[in-house]
Amino acid sequence: DIVMTQSPDSLAVSLGERATITCKSSQSVLYRSNNRNYLAWYQQKPGQPPKLLIYWASTRESGVPDRFSGSGSGTDFTLTISSLQAEDVAFYYCQQYFNTQYTFGQGTILEIK
Amino acid sequence: EVQLLESGGGLVQPGGSLRLSCAASGFTFDTYAMSWVRQAPGKGLEWVSSISGPGGSTYYADSVKGRFTISRDNSKNTLYLQMNSLRAEDTAVYHCAKSSSSSPNWFDPWGQGSLVTVSS
Repeated sequence: DIVMTQSPDSLAVSLGERATITCKSSQSVLYRSNNRNYLAWYQQKPGQPPKLLIYWASTRESGVPDRFSGSGSGTDFTLTISSLQAEDVAFYYCQQYFNTQYTFGQGTILEIK
Repeated sequence: EVQLLESGGGLVQPGGSLRLSCAASGFTFDTYAMSWVRQAPGKGLEWVSSISGPGGSTYYADSVKGRFTISRDNSKNTLYLQMNSLRAEDTAVYHCAKSSSSSPNWFDPWGQGSLVTVSS
């Protein structure tokens, strides 16, 4: 199975500042034939189901604020929130869909400093 | 608007069985892959199982293979998860989720979930 490892486990950032979460996969999730990275990011707030933010590593889901962006390729990926807002306090998870044993990172909790 | 509504959760003894259902609406159900993802109390997300749009292909996490069976009734727009030989470690909120194609990929949206508690 592809193991997804996020860092850090927890992160505290001041309002208006940049937040960066990384996700590393144990093997590449880049499919050479279409040059796409099979990587998604989710946000989960307390008491709610996860919400899709990013797919194909960098494509923002419709309706997601443009302060959220995804980058990276192969085995190393980043979710960046350019200017943290109070409503961004949540858990964040990465997920690979490169093979049919779909796996998530362990999660990162993002808080306000 | 896509809506997913899980039901069927509850308290079951170790070794027991339970069947979860997920009623879908707002999209052409048989076109899209569907999945179950669980979250143990206070823990992260764990993919459990997926099924292709037409239903011909199924996929399972190693932790549930041989014990859980995913299925769908496209005439009823409903996804199922039959869970047998339940263990304490299966205790979790079980979410159903839709993929964006007939093969599983990312999960969007998710249902609110159904709590399964395995305890004596």
